[in-house]
Amino acid sequence: DTGVSQDPRHKITKRGQNVTFRCDPISEHNRLYWYRQTLGQGPEFLTYFQNEAQLEKSRLLSDRFSAERPKGSFSTLEIQRTEQGDSAMYLCASSWKRDRRTDTQYFGPGTRLTVL
Amino acid sequence: TQLLEQSPQFLSIQEGENLTVYCNSSSVFSSLQWYRQEPGEGPVLLVTVVTGGEVKKLKRLTFQFGDARKDSSLHITAAQPGDTGLYLCAGAIIGSARQLTFGSGTQLTVLP
Repeated sequence: DTGVSQDPRHKITKRGQNVTFRCDPISEHNRLYWYRQTLGQGPEFLTYFQNEAQLEKSRLLSDRFSAERPKGSFSTLEIQRTEQGDSAMYLCASSWKRDRRTDTQYFGPGTRLTVL
Repeated sequence: TQLLEQSPQFLSIQEGENLTVYCNSSSVFSSLQWYRQEPGEGPVLLVTVVTGGEVKKLKRLTFQFGDARKDSSLHITAAQPGDTGLYLCAGAIIGSARQLTFGSGTQLTVLP
C-alpha cells in the first residue's frame, strides 16, 4: 500500500522562474488537496480536486498559481514568475469520500521550495 | 484570526513525564484529526475523531473530542524521546467544504 508521493522533494529556483510540482495520490482516493506550510505554522489550504474537477480554491492561490488533475489521477501545481515569498513546503494530501464526516486526509512528504 | 488555537506552542519535558496538548475553536467540526510531523516531512496521521465526547487511545496517546465538537486534547503518558516532534490538530469545519483548518502546532521535545 503506497502512500502519497510528491516530486521533487526539494526545489531551488531563482526569482522569476516557473516551477512545477507533481503529486501522486493513494490509488483509490478520489479527492486531492494542495496545502502550503511556512516555518512555524500549520499547513494552509490552497486548492482541492474531486476526481478531475477543481472544486475549491483559496484566496491564497494567486493567479500565478495553477493546479491541474487530468484524468483524476496525479496532480500538478505550477507557480509562474516565482517570488521569494513563495518559499515554503508544498504539501499534497488525498482522501476517499467514504462519508461526509470521515474524510481523513493522508499527506505526502512535501516539496520544499526555496526561491533565491 | 486563527480558527484553531493550539496550546502550548512549545513543550520541553523529561522522559517519563505526562503532557497534554489542547486544540480549541469557536467553530464546530465535522471531524478532527491529529497529525505528527518531523522536520522536512509531511504530517503523519495519528487519529481521526468524529463523535462528540469520543475518546480514542493509541498506545500511550489518548485523544478526546469535546462534547460540542469544538475542541480536542491529546494526552501522552510516560513520554519518550521518540515522541519528539510537531503535533498538529486539524479540523474540517462544518460548512467550509473539504479543506482542513490546522492549528499552528505544538513542538514537543522529550529529553532523555
